[in-house]
Amino acid sequence: DVKVTQSSRYLVKRTGEKVFLECVQDMDHENMFWYRQDPGLGLRLIYFSYDVKMKEKGDIPEGYSVSREKKERFSLILESASTNQTSMYLCAVLAGGRTSYNEQFFGPGTRLTVL
Amino acid sequence: QKEVEQNSGPLSVPEGAIASLNCTYSDRGSQSFFWYRQYSGKSPELIMFIYSNGDKEDGRFTAQLNKASQYVSLLIRDSQPSDSATYLCAELDTGRRALTFGSGTRLQVQP
Repeated sequence: DVKVTQSSRYLVKRTGEKVFLECVQDMDHENMFWYRQDPGLGLRLIYFSYDVKMKEKGDIPEGYSVSREKKERFSLILESASTNQTSMYLCAVLAGGRTSYNEQFFGPGTRLTVL
Repeated sequence: QKEVEQNSGPLSVPEGAIASLNCTYSDRGSQSFFWYRQYSGKSPELIMFIYSNGDKEDGRFTAQLNKASQYVSLLIRDSQPSDSATYLCAELDTGRRALTFGSGTRLQVQP
């Protein structure tokens, strides 16, 4: 199975700050995703990437951007953090698993609080 | 936009009973569904994948897909307190290869 790591488990930032959330996989799978998870709303797709330098908007891209300069690393950027971006951020990698060739493996998550 | 609906629960069952979790989906053409389990403070982990109509069994877990009625279910037999978690139903968007998740059902298994 692919191992997915995220740069921070907990992060506290102030309104207006630029925030970088990093996600790294230990293989070279092409498809990577950023979701946010909020109570009662489940996981919602922010951005995804098919390959290096390729990025696609998900369902809620407003206020976010992404960067993928290397295949193993996919960064989520909050250009100017706002309180409504307080959330749990989860990175996922698409890889073949024991149950499905479309299995997504998740990182441990970053709980971001914007004050 | 695709939608996946789940009852938030909590669903409470006694130890040893069968827990039945359900979700409905909006896209009639969808065929691939996933069930993830998420413990409090942890990230989701995949427990079942089902493609096309019918049942799929893996140990104590059975996933069922009914395309005509557009619902997916997960049965957990002989429920254990360690099964207490939030269960997320997800639909695969084959174009984006991304998942659309329901909001999750919290399961509590009482010892």
